[in-house]
Amino acid sequence: DTAVSQTPKYLVTQMGNDKSIKCEQNLGHDTMYWYKQDSKKFLKIMFSYNNKELIINETVPNRFSPKSPDKAHLNLHINSLELGDSAVYFCASSPGGVSDEQFFGPGTRLTVL
Amino acid sequence: GQNIDQPTEMTATEGAIVQINCTYQTSGFNGLFWYQQHAGEAPTFLSYNVLDGLEEKGRFSSFLSRSKGYSYLLLKELQMKDSASYLCAVMDSNYQLIWGAGTKLIIKP
Repeated sequence: DTAVSQTPKYLVTQMGNDKSIKCEQNLGHDTMYWYKQDSKKFLKIMFSYNNKELIINETVPNRFSPKSPDKAHLNLHINSLELGDSAVYFCASSPGGVSDEQFFGPGTRLTVL
Repeated sequence: GQNIDQPTEMTATEGAIVQINCTYQTSGFNGLFWYQQHAGEAPTFLSYNVLDGLEEKGRFSSFLSRSKGYSYLLLKELQMKDSASYLCAVMDSNYQLIWGAGTKLIIKP
């Protein structure tokens, strides 16, 4: 039973395309996140979202938009893909408390050609 | 600005002990996390410290000094499977996790 799942695992696409990455968690958690991990291995928070609030990292271009159809899903939609968007994108979830660990999905490796 | 510093890479011998240091400068502090990330995989939680002192969990221990902005992760009785990156992350005053770049730990027989 996968706790946090993402699809697809690999995504190769051309510059300028629009793509989506799906994330689902079956843990009953209140908070979900999207991270970008670049080639230098820095994990950068992009969005955090719970039933009440969407927190956006101001450095994230508005080409990136999270979409949450329900509490268990937080999808990431990317418009007009650029070469610099190539990275591994991780979805994560947590119960929502300050000390709560985050559970990560397996990651989606995005390559923009 | 906010900053998390860790050594880029460390090497240790199977069966030995290794200490991975992390220093941080953040706007506020609501706890420090250590995560393990094997190559090509997702990070997994190791520990959480919010009070000063040492937290022990099996072969792994984590230490925090808030006054010094310093933490370390101590790994004992190293095993080959401990070869991974170890990520230090601090939760700031806005309850956002600020991540270090990670320390790649190489274990040699």
